[in-house]
Amino acid sequence: EVKLLESGGGLVQPGGSLRLSCAASGFTFTDFYMSWIRQPPGKAPEWLGVIRNKANGYTTEYNPSVKGRFTISRDNTQNILYLQMNTLRAEDTAIYYCARWGYWGQGVMVTVSS
Amino acid sequence: DVQMTQSPSYLAASPGESVSISCKASKSINTYLAWYQEKPGKTNKLLIYSGSTLQSGTPSRFSGSGSGTDFTLTIRSLEPEDFAVYYCQQHNEYPHTFGAGTKLELK
Repeated sequence: EVKLLESGGGLVQPGGSLRLSCAASGFTFTDFYMSWIRQPPGKAPEWLGVIRNKANGYTTEYNPSVKGRFTISRDNTQNILYLQMNTLRAEDTAIYYCARWGYWGQGVMVTVSS
Repeated sequence: DVQMTQSPSYLAASPGESVSISCKASKSINTYLAWYQEKPGKTNKLLIYSGSTLQSGTPSRFSGSGSGTDFTLTIRSLEPEDFAVYYCQQHNEYPHTFGAGTKLELK
């Protein structure tokens, strides 16, 4: 069974940083592209970025809305996906989901507020 | 970025009825369109991808059609569990943009 479990969310001040983690299980992690998606409560999802699989060199793509502030990485020995978020703004407040094609995690809330 | 326009934003229907939701892309995305279902307390569920391919586990009353810029999600003979929010997402090019959503409500 595919499982994706995010952690690391919380309250952070504007300008601060946060790193989210996503523990993956139930599939061969290195075979899959992994993405981060966020969704402000009551609004549509926003795709943030992707890190490709082993066959495609673990390269990354980002939404221009977060490029330069957010970084996606993966630990392929522990099957963990990361999202490093810097220079956070109020508009980054959302539920953050890690995703593999066809599956999303339960999400973790990030609130950016003073 | 490819802009995705969904309509209607809200749709009221009764069990047993059929409904359709439209999704239009600002440029051609070939057939690379996915439909998701959002329900309270549950993870967003992929229903259809590549325009018309049902994800494993998606009931056959759901169908998707379209190519290029115009796509449709059709739900035939609505069941009580189908009342939810539906989003389209293009997966033709990065960033993979979403539509604003359609809330399907019980009439």
